[in-house]
Amino acid sequence: EDQVTQSPEALRLQEGESSSLNCSYTVSGLRGLFWYRQDPGKGPEFLFTLYSAGEEKEKERLKATLTKKESFLHITAPKPEDSATYLCAVRASGGYNKLIFGAGTRLAVHP
Amino acid sequence: DADVTQTPRNRITKTGKRIMLECSQTKGHDRMYWYRQDPGLGLRLIYYSFDVKDINKGEISDGYSVSRQAQAKFSLSLESAIPNQTALYFCATSEGTAGQPQHFGDGTRLSIL
Repeated sequence: EDQVTQSPEALRLQEGESSSLNCSYTVSGLRGLFWYRQDPGKGPEFLFTLYSAGEEKEKERLKATLTKKESFLHITAPKPEDSATYLCAVRASGGYNKLIFGAGTRLAVHP
Repeated sequence: DADVTQTPRNRITKTGKRIMLECSQTKGHDRMYWYRQDPGLGLRLIYYSFDVKDINKGEISDGYSVSRQAQAKFSLSLESAIPNQTALYFCATSEGTAGQPQHFGDGTRLSIL
């Protein structure tokens, strides 16, 4: 069964304290791994797509990496405005663009 | 203006009522989706549509129905609402090419008493 597990559930950081969020997945034939950011009262906002092991994507203080079993979202020198829930999703095998979502990691960055 | 607009943003209603949630998009995408989000759970797919004449059930379609009125409009109905349908509901769109990201609206918070 296709499955996505994110850890930790919640993470509290001090401003400038770098860390990583984990997304472990089991899927038959990965066809894309997606990272989203979700702010309270808002819908998920697309960040990155990764397609193959070894691929990396960067945007400002965020860097996403992918292996055959997991993805990491590295946050370098975070700021309070990086506080949000980060969602990971994988595209499952099959004929349509079905995404399997993890439950998310709630990140709080304090000044 | 938002690319994917959902109405209403909040709704409180009673058990047994019929409810319609609406979604419209200006992105020009063919594919549209309805998800629900519950605390501690990932987003789960209710229905999806690849074009006006193509509508498919997702993993949790029981108790829900949809209508694709036009390329830009996709509505979700709860025929007879029950309390365990209390959740956040999101509409999303994507391009027709496989592997493209989905883009989400800001959701409808639905409470069923």
